[in-house]
Amino acid sequence: SQTIHQWPATLVQPVGSPLSLECTVEGTSNPNLYWYRQAAGRGLQLLFYSVGIGQISSEVPQNLSASRPQDRQFILSSKKLLLSDSGFYLCAWSATGETEAFFGQGTRLTVV
Amino acid sequence: AQKVTQAQTEISVVEKEDVTLDCVYETRDTTYYLFWYKQPPSGELVFLIRRNSFDEQNEISGRYSWNFQKSTSSFNFTITASQVVDSAVYFCALSGANDYKLSFGAGTTVTVRA
Repeated sequence: SQTIHQWPATLVQPVGSPLSLECTVEGTSNPNLYWYRQAAGRGLQLLFYSVGIGQISSEVPQNLSASRPQDRQFILSSKKLLLSDSGFYLCAWSATGETEAFFGQGTRLTVV
Repeated sequence: AQKVTQAQTEISVVEKEDVTLDCVYETRDTTYYLFWYKQPPSGELVFLIRRNSFDEQNEISGRYSWNFQKSTSSFNFTITASQVVDSAVYFCALSGANDYKLSFGAGTTVTVRA
């Protein structure tokens, strides 16, 4: 069966520090991968998605970047965090040709 | 552009009551998919159901049922005989047939009191 791992679960970082959140998927090949952010208002916003290694699409301009160095690995990064980067970050995957996405357990990021 | 509206921000019910969550969507695609997800306090989004735009048959799964009405662009979700464990935020979402990105509604917080 497929599983998705996302870490860390919680993170407190000072403003201006770098960020690296990692997500890996097991049990499937060539998944579509996604990073979503859920701000305090609860809505989920798609940040990045990837349909293959090295292929990243950005949905909104922001202080973050994403990379996919391996087929089942998706990384969310920032060189310098802003207060507004605080939120709940969720990684998700879907099978090629399928639309339903399955989510990781999320990372709660607090920038102080 | 895809848009999903969940007009109900919060719903509070007493255990065993039924609760219906509304979802209205907008899309220009002729083929699309609708979803419901549950987000319990732990934070993880749990997939509940996917519906294809060409299949308007309603679906029941245990205490959960879904009413898809293409004519009114609605995909409502009913929890029958609610339980405390149903307390969560519920999200409705939409994607196009050739677009694997999900557009989410703002979510409805359901609180079931014992």
